[in-house]
Amino acid sequence: QKEVEQDPGPLSVPEGAIVSLNCTYSNSAFQYFMWYRQYSRKGPELLMYTYSSGNKEDGRFTAQVDKSSKYISLFIRDSQPSDSATYLCAMSRSGSGTYKYIFGTGTRLKVLA
Amino acid sequence: DTGVSQNPRHKITKRGQNVTFRCDPISEHNRLYWYRQTLGQGPEFLTYFQNEAQLEKSRLLSDRFSAERPKGSFSTLEIQRTEQGDSAMYLCASSLSDRAYEQYFGPGTRLTVT
Repeated sequence: QKEVEQDPGPLSVPEGAIVSLNCTYSNSAFQYFMWYRQYSRKGPELLMYTYSSGNKEDGRFTAQVDKSSKYISLFIRDSQPSDSATYLCAMSRSGSGTYKYIFGTGTRLKVLA
Repeated sequence: DTGVSQNPRHKITKRGQNVTFRCDPISEHNRLYWYRQTLGQGPEFLTYFQNEAQLEKSRLLSDRFSAERPKGSFSTLEIQRTEQGDSAMYLCASSLSDRAYEQYFGPGTRLTVT
């Protein structure tokens, strides 16, 4: 079993929909949770990071962490065709292990105009 | 542009040849990371530097791979005697040492070994 699981999709939604992207993990030592967006043949772009549990909002994006369930989510409100990309979750420990990201496989999102 | 840059963006080489990639991190970042990403997978950690010191190497980094960051600025990743299994996107990222959870990635170098 992989440490981080992510549904590869593709997930197709109409423009304006609320998108929910999720990851589950098995390692309870993870404390930092990151979301990256990756367009085809480009490098990942950091969207948000969260420490421990709770919610974080940035514009149309909201990240949620539920450590009791080992489950994290990224919500995108009012989705746009330009949001079509692969979304990667990444996790790491706190302290000296923070640098060592473990990524999910990514979920491909298509927002249809 | 003050982001992470990587060169070349695409490299095609024949099996058995050596290749070298370069990464220029964000200027004030003292940490630099190398990752490898294959199709349909997330990036996998290879190695990282704090300033010029290479502090960790993944088991994924075989003896044919070597990375340097001689002056604590840019870094190079060399692959000797390339194999078809080395075909992948090689990504570089950088961060501040006390914000290792905030890594910024470059555009990557796509390696194709024929």
